[in-house]
Amino acid sequence: ETGVTQSPTHLIKTRGQQVTLRCSSQSGHNTVSWYQQALGQGPQFIFQYYREEENGRGNFPPRFSGLQFPNYSSELNVNALELDDSALYLCASTVGQRGYYGYTFGSGTRLTVV
Amino acid sequence: QQQVKQSPQSLIVQKGGISIINCAYENTAFDYFPWYQQFPGKGPALLIAIRPDVSEKKEGRFTISFNKSAKQFSLHIMDSQPGDSATYFCAASTQGAQKLVFGQGTRLTINP
Repeated sequence: ETGVTQSPTHLIKTRGQQVTLRCSSQSGHNTVSWYQQALGQGPQFIFQYYREEENGRGNFPPRFSGLQFPNYSSELNVNALELDDSALYLCASTVGQRGYYGYTFGSGTRLTVV
Repeated sequence: QQQVKQSPQSLIVQKGGISIINCAYENTAFDYFPWYQQFPGKGPALLIAIRPDVSEKKEGRFTISFNKSAKQFSLHIMDSQPGDSATYFCAASTQGAQKLVFGQGTRLTINP
């Protein structure tokens, strides 16, 4: 299986709710990173998982959490949604612990918080 | 110090012309500088990347120029085509870091 698949493509949630976004990485890619891209801005690093362990975290609060599974899939969970969480959430996968070379990005999930 | 500043925010170029996008950084520990291309509704895709030990890298119509002393790097798109219309992001990272730091993006429009 090639490519990185994210689901859902679009999502509308209410402030205070919780959301789970999913990513299916390219087979063999043991590193997955999540980025938040606000409208008109560059992507910002949320965190990275390598072999199912968190391997680095950006400047995001603990209500942003993640999981990586042995089948190369992963999740981004956001609790207590705020209006500012509205953004495109991108998943990127690669091989190896130094996980930014050769990123393959998914098409993202557009989250709108109302 | 972790910022990468990108300019211009938007750029309009005629078909066949040269598109130039610039980025500047402060962190001298950065050692990897990629450029990404993003079409609407898609995730960013790696276009070309450079390390600070070379001053220029060319792949087809795309060239990165790197000025280590000025802490600047730029993307040149030669013979720009309408299909190049997209948003371009510069980025930077350090060895051992797990993340890329992205610029704010440049929306490029190539007029036919």
